[in-house]
Amino acid sequence: EVQLVESGGGLVQPGGSLTLSCAASGFTFSSYEMNWVRQAPGKGLEWISFITTTGDTISYADSVKGRFTISRDNAKNSLYLQMNSLRAEDTAVYYCARDRTHYDSSGYYYDFDYWGQGTLVTVSS
Amino acid sequence: DIQMTQSPSTLSASVGDRVTISCRASQGIRAWLAWYQQKPGKPPKVLIYKASTLESGVPSRFSGSGSGTEFTLTISSLQPDDFATYYCHQYSGFPFTFGPGTKVDIK
Repeated sequence: EVQLVESGGGLVQPGGSLTLSCAASGFTFSSYEMNWVRQAPGKGLEWISFITTTGDTISYADSVKGRFTISRDNAKNSLYLQMNSLRAEDTAVYYCARDRTHYDSSGYYYDFDYWGQGTLVTVSS
Repeated sequence: DIQMTQSPSTLSASVGDRVTISCRASQGIRAWLAWYQQKPGKPPKVLIYKASTLESGVPSRFSGSGSGTEFTLTISSLQPDDFATYYCHQYSGFPFTFGPGTKVDIK
């Protein structure tokens, strides 16, 4: 059974740092690209970061670029999100999500087929 | 960046109703669109990918259509389990973006 389990959330002061982890099991982690998506309380979904299987391509939303760093350790089946210079607006539930690729004659298509249950990050003094 | 809009933002409907949710992209994204369903306190669940391909295990009352900039999610006969929030999601290019969501609630 595919499982993604986030951890590391909590209360942090503005300007502080936090590292989130996502432990993967039930599939070959090193074969899948991964994402972080967040959801502020009562708000919609916001994609924030992507990483390829080897980490050679990484992308961030403008809202976190320069402050957050995504990484992975395929030997440990884990995905990470290092968050620095945290702001009140970073308060959200953070989900890791597996990126699934479909291929047919018309090309490649993607979706996020498995999500963790999320970990809450609260930025407040 | 590609902006995604959805309409309506809230939809009140009854069991058995046909429900249609629209999603618009600010520029053409071909069929690089997925639809997700989210219930309170739970992570999203994929319903549709490639704009119109039904995810395995998802009831056939769900369907997706569209390409380019205009997309639609249709629930042919709303069931009690379908009251939730629905998001479209484009993956045409970075940054990936989600629509703001459409909440389907009980009339």
